[in-house]
Amino acid sequence: AQSVTQLDSQVPVFEEAPVELRCNYSSSVSVYLFWYVQYPNQGLQLLLKYLSGSTLVKGINGFEAEFNKSQTSFHLRKPSVHISDTAEYFCAVSSSASKIIFGSGTRLSIRP
Amino acid sequence: KAGVTQTPRYLIKTRGQQVTLSCSPISGHRSVSWYQQTPGQGLQFLFEYFSETQRNKGNFPGRFSGRQFSNSRSEMNVSTLELGDSALYLCASSPGGGRGEEKLFFGSGTQLSVL
Repeated sequence: AQSVTQLDSQVPVFEEAPVELRCNYSSSVSVYLFWYVQYPNQGLQLLLKYLSGSTLVKGINGFEAEFNKSQTSFHLRKPSVHISDTAEYFCAVSSSASKIIFGSGTRLSIRP
Repeated sequence: KAGVTQTPRYLIKTRGQQVTLSCSPISGHRSVSWYQQTPGQGLQFLFEYFSETQRNKGNFPGRFSGRQFSNSRSEMNVSTLELGDSALYLCASSPGGGRGEEKLFFGSGTQLSVL
């Protein structure tokens, strides 16, 4: 069975500061990892995904994530956030034989 | 291409009633998945349909059911509504050929309030 944990339910940061949203997963097989973003009153959209290859994955809007197999982590980072990054961020895990499972989400709030 | 369309956008029902939600996937997508989103719970998987067949099912009671039509449009039905069914119901589509590695395309959801 697979699972994904987002330890931080809320992360407040100041505008132009860096941010890291944490994600840990557990799985007995090779995994695919995703970060989705949900802006207010909208559905989710894909930020980035890791399927294989380079462990550093770059996504849209300046976000990037690093796959760390030994730490079973896939943390999301951005060097400088903007007000427009205010949203809820979901980490997700799947494999070739299973459906995608989402974490409980991290609400990112940006302070001016 | 048009995105995933969910109707209606908002619904208000009372306990004991039933409700049907609709989802039109992106043209050419054959997989449709449904999720329930509540504050603090994240997205809970309800079920997935592929080519009119239920391919996966989550841990929800039998009051929650779905179906998919030959044009890939999907409906979700909840019978005997309970207060705890109040949530945002999201539909997602994907081409469906692959499994876990596919990107999901989400609709804006149907906000269901049960009074």
